[in-house]
Amino acid sequence: GENVEQHPSTLSVQEGDSAVIKCTYSDSASNYFPWYKQELGKGPQLIIDIRSNVGEKKDQRIAVTLNKTAKHFSLHITETQPEDSAVYFCAASNYQLIWGAGTKLIIKP
Amino acid sequence: GAGVSQSPSNKVTEKGKDVELRCDPISGHTALYWYRQSLGQGLEFLIYFQGNSAPDKSGLPSDRFSAERTGGSVSTLTIQRTQQEDSAVYLCASRLPSAGGPPDTQYFGPGTRLTVL
Repeated sequence: GENVEQHPSTLSVQEGDSAVIKCTYSDSASNYFPWYKQELGKGPQLIIDIRSNVGEKKDQRIAVTLNKTAKHFSLHITETQPEDSAVYFCAASNYQLIWGAGTKLIIKP
Repeated sequence: GAGVSQSPSNKVTEKGKDVELRCDPISGHTALYWYRQSLGQGLEFLIYFQGNSAPDKSGLPSDRFSAERTGGSVSTLTIQRTQQEDSAVYLCASRLPSAGGPPDTQYFGPGTRLTVL
């Protein structure tokens, strides 16, 4: 079945620096790749997603890139701010979402 | 409009007791998911409801777990004879029907934190 691996499990960056989280998936039929952000005590919220007919998508300080050949996709956060501290989950799907294990992002002041 | 709501927000129970967790999805969302999230871990899929179709129960960890969805709206997750390893946050999510295409955004509730003593 589909498997999604996410790295790193924890990422600590200085405020203002960039953060990159990477995911790989196994099912070449996957065609939808969302990223969710989970703040402490809350449910995950969609922050950006990309479909397989697009290689890159940006929304202000966040961007997602997709390499279908290599079956990996990445989340890029630029100019990190304290409020970016959270757990980030990637997922991949062609029917049901298969979730990565999550990355705890820590922004150091 | 209101988002996904879950109740209770916290539940403490004794080992062996039954618990019921409730989820109110966003109005008009025909798809509903239950997930389990253990401390510091990712999302573990439990069960999926889509309209009037038979639910996908493939993620339920044991026969002590069951869920139902009444009238295509509110859902209840029931855990019988709770064990300490059932302690986790139980998350519910809903989304619009995907019309045969790839799944669309799932909207999550705040979760129910279950503690089994």
